[in-house]
Amino acid sequence: GAVVSQHPSRVICKSGTSVKIECRSLDFQATTMFWYRQFPKQSLMLMATSNEGSKATYEQGVEKDKFLINHASLTLSTLTVTSAHPEDSSFYICSAKDHQETQYFGPGTRLLVL
Amino acid sequence: AQSVTQLGSHVSVSEGALVLLRCNYSSSVPPYLFWYVQYPNQGLQLLLKYTSAATLVKGINGFEAEFKKSETSFHLTKPSAHMSDAAEYFCAVRGSGSARQLTFGSGTQLTVLP
Repeated sequence: GAVVSQHPSRVICKSGTSVKIECRSLDFQATTMFWYRQFPKQSLMLMATSNEGSKATYEQGVEKDKFLINHASLTLSTLTVTSAHPEDSSFYICSAKDHQETQYFGPGTRLLVL
Repeated sequence: AQSVTQLGSHVSVSEGALVLLRCNYSSSVPPYLFWYVQYPNQGLQLLLKYTSAATLVKGINGFEAEFKKSETSFHLTKPSAHMSDAAEYFCAVRGSGSARQLTFGSGTQLTVLP
């Protein structure tokens, strides 16, 4: 199947700093990527839809100024958690949709804010 | 709006026994349905998908699922469980919005007993 990578896989940062997470589709072009957040023992919660060349669409309750999304190319979307706080600690997962509209997921990024 | 309900947050089976994970859906349009598996600290891997073709869908690792419109169900089965099947399983339905984002069920943790 298609491959989606995320970097970094794990990051620890201090409260107040910003963290950037990259999501790449390695063997296909993705005009649409998605960012999810997953709390322990829970399902995935869609945060935003990332569209190449246009602004991201955020789900209700997700602060767009807090979670900056950039989809500058057909293979790369980035999520920047700005001024991170301990409550932002979570597992962040991206996915990329191929031309058959199947979503392929990245391996996730574990963020810990101290 | 589309939604899925997974009955049973935890399922335990003995190695070699039948695996049955339940998923019921609600959709205002013909649904596209998916099953994903998540191993600890990893992203989601696509097991199989239903896209309005054959009602019995075969996936990877010996899993299959049957779409039953009359029951609005898409249960996941495997004839003989293996220890390596222990993981979290998510059922998902594709939305009808322009982005066609996925809506996930709450997940079912499968434990395989020796």
